[in-house]
Amino acid sequence: GESVGLHLPTLSVQEGDNSIINCAYSNSASDYFIWYKQESGKGPQFIIDIRSNMDKRQGQRVTVLLNKTVKHLSLQIAATQPGDSAVYFCAETNDMRFGAGTRLTVKP
Amino acid sequence: NAGVMQNPRHLVRRRGQEARLRCSPMKGHSHVYWYRQLPEEGLKFMVYLQKENIIDESGMPKERFSAEFPKEGPSILRIQQVVRGDSAAYFCASQLSGTVNPRYFGPGTRLTVT
Repeated sequence: GESVGLHLPTLSVQEGDNSIINCAYSNSASDYFIWYKQESGKGPQFIIDIRSNMDKRQGQRVTVLLNKTVKHLSLQIAATQPGDSAVYFCAETNDMRFGAGTRLTVKP
Repeated sequence: NAGVMQNPRHLVRRRGQEARLRCSPMKGHSHVYWYRQLPEEGLKFMVYLQKENIIDESGMPKERFSAEFPKEGPSILRIQQVVRGDSAAYFCASQLSGTVNPRYFGPGTRLTVT
């Protein structure tokens, strides 16, 4: 499944599928981006970051892609698990503001 | 290395009382940010502080809210004469000096105004 940025605040996927969460940013001078995961009742948790001189960065089961031309960021989660259910936020560290995020629900 | 600590985790205040929220940053972190989050909404930036210095308070309401980060001790977010609309989760985050670093968030304080 794929969400289109912050205009589609929910994403529902089947366990085992790959998830793609998108995010648009506004500041073309931003040089550093972070993805956070927030589970219900908890604080945001750092997942992965990427600098503006990179197009792609991989972590454990997660990949972040950065397209500076269209000012777009995506988070890909491989083999999504029930424990991945949460709200995901992107943030650009030049801008202290966050969007509403995307709520990912994983169906067993 | 302990993470960002916030206390209390839950705070109940009656209208008109004062609320004090505390945030201890990660060891070695000298930058603290406060955010407010309403249910089903994103994080709203409130204030950015370094020790003994307010760097950016553009997200703070003009009245009743104040924040400090003293040389010693935790950062404090203070809300005077609380109203029901102040009920929210308040998160702080800390960061190493400089901008190109991740921010690490605390578990939040859930303020309920009755």
